[in-house]
Amino acid sequence: AQSVTQPDIHITVSEGASLELRCNYSYGATPYLFWYVQSPGQGLQLLLKYFSGDTLVQGIKGFEAEFKRSQSSFNLRKPSVHWSDAAEYFCAVGPGGGADGLTFGKGTHLIIQP
Amino acid sequence: DSGVTQTPKHLITATGQRVTLRCSPRSGDLSVYWYQQSLDQGLQFLIQYYNGEERAKGNILERFSAQQFPDLHSELNLSSLELGDSALYFCASSVGGTTEAFFGQGTRLTVV
Repeated sequence: AQSVTQPDIHITVSEGASLELRCNYSYGATPYLFWYVQSPGQGLQLLLKYFSGDTLVQGIKGFEAEFKRSQSSFNLRKPSVHWSDAAEYFCAVGPGGGADGLTFGKGTHLIIQP
Repeated sequence: DSGVTQTPKHLITATGQRVTLRCSPRSGDLSVYWYQQSLDQGLQFLIQYYNGEERAKGNILERFSAQQFPDLHSELNLSSLELGDSALYFCASSVGGTTEAFFGQGTRLTVV
């Protein structure tokens, strides 16, 4: 069965510092990988996706993620965080956009210190 | 704004009752998905419809059912509600089954 592990429940980063959120997945076939962000009281917004091709993908809001098949990882990075990045971040895996549905990790709560 | 519209935004109801959540997908999207988000279970896939037909089922309880209508909007019906059904219910839509899904703002259901 497919699964997603986000090892860090909470991460605190100073504003302007770099960020890396970890995501490890287990999937039997070639995975489609996603990062979503959820602000308090809001829905999930797609940050970026990996379907195939270049393993370094760029997303919105200055985020990027790198797919490493050998490590079954899809870590999210940002070189310099802003206070508005404080939110819950979810990594997800699935066949395409949702056939059989996405499997989500438990999420990482990002706190930004001034 | 993702273009996916969910109504109502909030719903409070009593145990044993039945409610219907509604979702309008983005224009042109044929697939609709329903997810449940709770503190203990996280985000869980419930069910997917594609162009009116059920396409995939996840961890959906027998007390729950869904349908997608000819105009592609979808409804999630939750019956015999229990306290544990209190959660945020999300609808998402995509063009097909192999493209990214866009999520609505969710319906927060509180069962008292």
